[in-house]
Amino acid sequence: EVQLVESGGGLVKPGGSLRLSCTVSGFTFSTCSMAWVRQAPGKGLEWVSSIIKSGSHIYYTDSVQGRFTISRDNGKNSLYLQMNNLRAEDTALYYCARVPSASAWYYFDSWGPGTLVTVSS
Amino acid sequence: EIVMTQSPATLSVSLGERATLSCRASHSVSSNLGWYQQKSGQAPRLLIYGASTRATGVPAKFSGSGSGTEFTLTISSLQSEDFAVYYCQQYDNWPLTFGGGTKVEFK
Repeated sequence: EVQLVESGGGLVKPGGSLRLSCTVSGFTFSTCSMAWVRQAPGKGLEWVSSIIKSGSHIYYTDSVQGRFTISRDNGKNSLYLQMNNLRAEDTALYYCARVPSASAWYYFDSWGPGTLVTVSS
Repeated sequence: EIVMTQSPATLSVSLGERATLSCRASHSVSSNLGWYQQKSGQAPRLLIYGASTRATGVPAKFSGSGSGTEFTLTISSLQSEDFAVYYCQQYDNWPLTFGGGTKVEFK
């Protein structure tokens, strides 16, 4: 069974940092691209960042470019999102999602339950 | 950026009825379109990819159609478990973008 479990969310002040983790099981992590998608409270889905299987190609939405860094450790079956200089508008439930392709340019076929990030003073 | 527009925002449907949801792209996305279902308090679930291919385990009551800029998700004979928010997503171009969602509620 494919499983993705996020962790690392919490309450942080504006300008602060958090590191999200996503640990996966039930599939060969190193063969799939991965992504982070977020959902602000009561709002829709927003793609945040994607990374291909090797980690050599990375993509960000404009609003997080330069502040967020996606990475992966294929040996630990883990995906990460380092979030710096956080803003109130980054408050959201952050989902880890699997991309069923070597390309990051795709849909998401499995999702974790999400981890909540709240940015507030 | 390709803007995805879903309509209606809310669809009120009775049990057993058919629901038709629309998704329009601001530029052609070919058939690079997915549909997701999100129930309250849950993560999204992939229903359709490639505009019309059902994901693994998705019942045949869900069907997708369209290409280019106009897409439709049809849910035949709605049951209680189908009441949820449905999102479309294009993966033809960066950034990947989602529609604002259609909430299917009980009439």
